[in-house]
Amino acid sequence: DTGVSQNPRHKITKRGQNVTFRCDPISEHNRLYWYRQTLGQGPEFLTYFQNEAQLEKSRLLSDRFSAERPKGSFSTLEIQRTEQGDSAMYLCASSLDVTAYEQYFGPGTRLTVT
Amino acid sequence: SQQGEEDPQALSIQEGENATMNCSYKTSINNLQWYRQNSGRGLVHLILIRSNEREKHSGRLRVTLDTSKKSSSLLITASRAADTASYFCATDSRSNDYKLSFGAGTTVTVRA
Repeated sequence: DTGVSQNPRHKITKRGQNVTFRCDPISEHNRLYWYRQTLGQGPEFLTYFQNEAQLEKSRLLSDRFSAERPKGSFSTLEIQRTEQGDSAMYLCASSLDVTAYEQYFGPGTRLTVT
Repeated sequence: SQQGEEDPQALSIQEGENATMNCSYKTSINNLQWYRQNSGRGLVHLILIRSNEREKHSGRLRVTLDTSKKSSSLLITASRAADTASYFCATDSRSNDYKLSFGAGTTVTVRA
């Protein structure tokens, strides 16, 4: 399967713990995006990468959130000291480049903070 | 912040009927896209319409765009049970480096 993959699919953690999610984009795609989606809402932009460079972080991302894309391949999103408000679906998407407007989404990682 | 707003929030129709949902947005755009999301899963791209286009078709989908009213509509003809999903519009602009801004979505239920 050459689509976008995300791991894990589900994560349950206790408040205060750190969690890390992984996204593997479509192999030739230069752009990689992270979104957060809460129940009944559309995805909200968190951050994105052009190859290995992180271009922007949304103000939704507090200092507890960090994302990396080493070597411009897979990406990780880490949340430190999780809070109950972090419970959401975290979606990753990739696109070929800036002129390829369609984004291809992974299945998401559902985070539950207890 | 979310740029688009879909209307209605929810829609229930009989199989074979058409489903129409609308999207309004606030600022100038380059493209408007529609995505589908089945329950608890990722989004699937359906169709993209550029700001200089007024109408586009793809299979049973028809999208219109009225930039003067800052609105778009998605029509699904001859609906099937498999069309049951949430539908989101997403806009982008060159000034925002083509990052997508999504609405809250329309939940469509197709009854057999």
